[in-house]
Amino acid sequence: QSALTQPASVSGSPGQSITISCTGTSSDVGGYNSVSWYQQHPGKAPKLLIYDVNKWPSGVSNRFSGSKSGNTASLSISGLQAEDEADYYCSSYTTNNIWVFGGGTRVTVL
Amino acid sequence: QVQLVESGGGVVQPGGSLRLSCAASGFTFDNYGMHWVRQAPGKGLEWVAFMRYDGSRGFYADSVRGRFTISRDNAKNTLSLQMDSLRPVDSAIYYCARNYHYAFEEWGQGTTVTVSS
Repeated sequence: QSALTQPASVSGSPGQSITISCTGTSSDVGGYNSVSWYQQHPGKAPKLLIYDVNKWPSGVSNRFSGSKSGNTASLSISGLQAEDEADYYCSSYTTNNIWVFGGGTRVTVL
Repeated sequence: QVQLVESGGGVVQPGGSLRLSCAASGFTFDNYGMHWVRQAPGKGLEWVAFMRYDGSRGFYADSVRGRFTISRDNAKNTLSLQMDSLRPVDSAIYYCARNYHYAFEEWGQGTTVTVSS
């Protein structure tokens, strides 16, 4: 149950687009279309942004989008806004009803 | 609206036990699998355990298997986590979360567990 690999930090200016990667293996990210992404502001519970690689829950902005290629999933944020400054986590279902998270990425809006 | 409210956190000595609860409301509880996820101070999210919608079977992270037991009471809309043989590394905020398409769709506000002598 190794954690998925995310960059520790990503930054961008308001209005720009950024992408966060999430690398796993063929037993998790590469083996299932069950990758999800979460946003967490300090002191708050995480919030679901994307599920099933690229689907939006109700109420989530389409500025957030997900994709996957092989063992790597990605979250893109377009039109970066100050309120997007937060920690972001990916997660994947793996074999035998086990789930794994990435280590998290701190997004800074410059 | 969906509400998940955790309780039962506190300070416990190493080797001790604690039982967490998650009270669910605003949705049909027994239609959904449920998770426990934890976050150590200043650290990332860690999946802990999952219980199927019908309470038939629980699944665990390697780090807690054999020490933690997840259960649910669908009549009372409650999810529980019995934590035994606690270690300092188990200190964290514990969240319950509703499962949807293998994602953690809805989250509670969390309850804090501190394992310290």
